[in-house]
Amino acid sequence: DMKVTQMPRYLIKRMGENVLLECGQDMSHETMYWYRQDPGLGLQLIYISYDVDSNSEGDIPKGYRVSRKKREHFSLILDSAKTNQTSVYFCASTPGTHYAEQFFGPGTRLTVL
Amino acid sequence: QQQVRQSPQSLTVWEGETAILNCSYEDSTFNYFPWYQQFPGEGPALLISIRSVSDKKEDGRFTIFFNKREKKLSLHITDSQPGDSATYFCAPASSGSWQLIFGSGTQLTVMP
Repeated sequence: DMKVTQMPRYLIKRMGENVLLECGQDMSHETMYWYRQDPGLGLQLIYISYDVDSNSEGDIPKGYRVSRKKREHFSLILDSAKTNQTSVYFCASTPGTHYAEQFFGPGTRLTVL
Repeated sequence: QQQVRQSPQSLTVWEGETAILNCSYEDSTFNYFPWYQQFPGEGPALLISIRSVSDKKEDGRFTIFFNKREKKLSLHITDSQPGDSATYFCAPASSGSWQLIFGSGTQLTVMP
């Protein structure tokens, strides 16, 4: 059963704390993404990873960084979280950059107080 | 995000009616037009898609109508069911990058 997993599903942090969001996929997909979703704004792309240690900024990378040391894992890191980073974060994957369909995880709801 | 506009923001129909969701875009390089369906508490999932060489794509009760000249497309859901209640995103991409550009979504409610 192909799927994308995200941990944790819910997270509450205080402003200034560090945040680590984890994403995993069992499909050996090359390309992985991190998005955030805010009410009325759809999904906005934060980072793309084309494979291990091959990452590129998306449309809103400021305040975020990523790490991909294994093909099946992609992490999103918030150093010193800010209240405006409160959002729902989604990870997605595709077999490769020329494959159209993206497969999404269930999301992580992050609240920064 | 202004590259892709969706309307209406929310839509309520009765069971059995046809729901029509609209999408317009600005970037003429877009040539792949998927619609994603998202249920509360879940991630989006691909529902149906169309390439710019076609003007219509049908899959069961779901049909995309595409007008390349006007840069508009619509998703028609016939015989709507309560289980279709979800948020629908138009998320076009160009074959150069395959980066999806999400609209703000239409929240559909189907009343039984």
